[in-house]
Amino acid sequence: GEDVEQSLFLSVREGDSSVINCTYTDSSSTYLYWYKQEPGAGLQLLTYIFSNMDMKQDQRLTVLLNKKDKHLSLRIADTQTGDSAIYFCAEIPYSGAGSYQLTFGKGTKLSVIP
Amino acid sequence: EAGVTQSPTHLIKTRGQQATLRCSPISGHTSVYWYQQALGLGLQFLLWYDEGEERNRGNFPPRFSGRQFPNYSSELNVNALELEDSALYLCASSLSRANTGELFFGEGSRLTVL
Repeated sequence: GEDVEQSLFLSVREGDSSVINCTYTDSSSTYLYWYKQEPGAGLQLLTYIFSNMDMKQDQRLTVLLNKKDKHLSLRIADTQTGDSAIYFCAEIPYSGAGSYQLTFGKGTKLSVIP
Repeated sequence: EAGVTQSPTHLIKTRGQQATLRCSPISGHTSVYWYQQALGLGLQFLLWYDEGEERNRGNFPPRFSGRQFPNYSSELNVNALELEDSALYLCASSLSRANTGELFFGEGSRLTVL
């Protein structure tokens, strides 16, 4: 079955790096995503990685994918107070029907201490 | 360009009543997804509409239903409301056959059932 697991909380000091981890079960996933939800808001796509990639870097964000272990991580360098939010890992399990129905983890709440 | 818009922002109902939530996708997007975000449960997939048809539904009872109109806007109906239906209901839209499957989310409708 499809399942995405994340730790629920992470607390870091401003200026440090944050690493948010995620494990997924569907080995046929094509894309894996990180979404960010700020308080009182909807979700916003941060970045995504195609399953044939190991790493993707986008400014302060680095995504690492270990397909063998079905492990995805998001590293935020120089974490700022504005990065405080809930971060969701998501995958598109293969459905063969053209569906972009994402399966989300429960989200990791990142708290940045000034 | 306007993003995904949802209405109402907040809705308070009592047990047994019906709730109707509305969503307007981004212009040009033909797919609409509904997710329920209940406290402690993460995002649970509810429904997917594409080109006016229901394409898939999540593991929710039939009292959760909806439709998509010719202009691709959508409405979610929840009948016979129960206390556990209290949640943030998020709508997302995408291109029907988007290359990356990116979903664009609205800010949600918060339903409180008393």
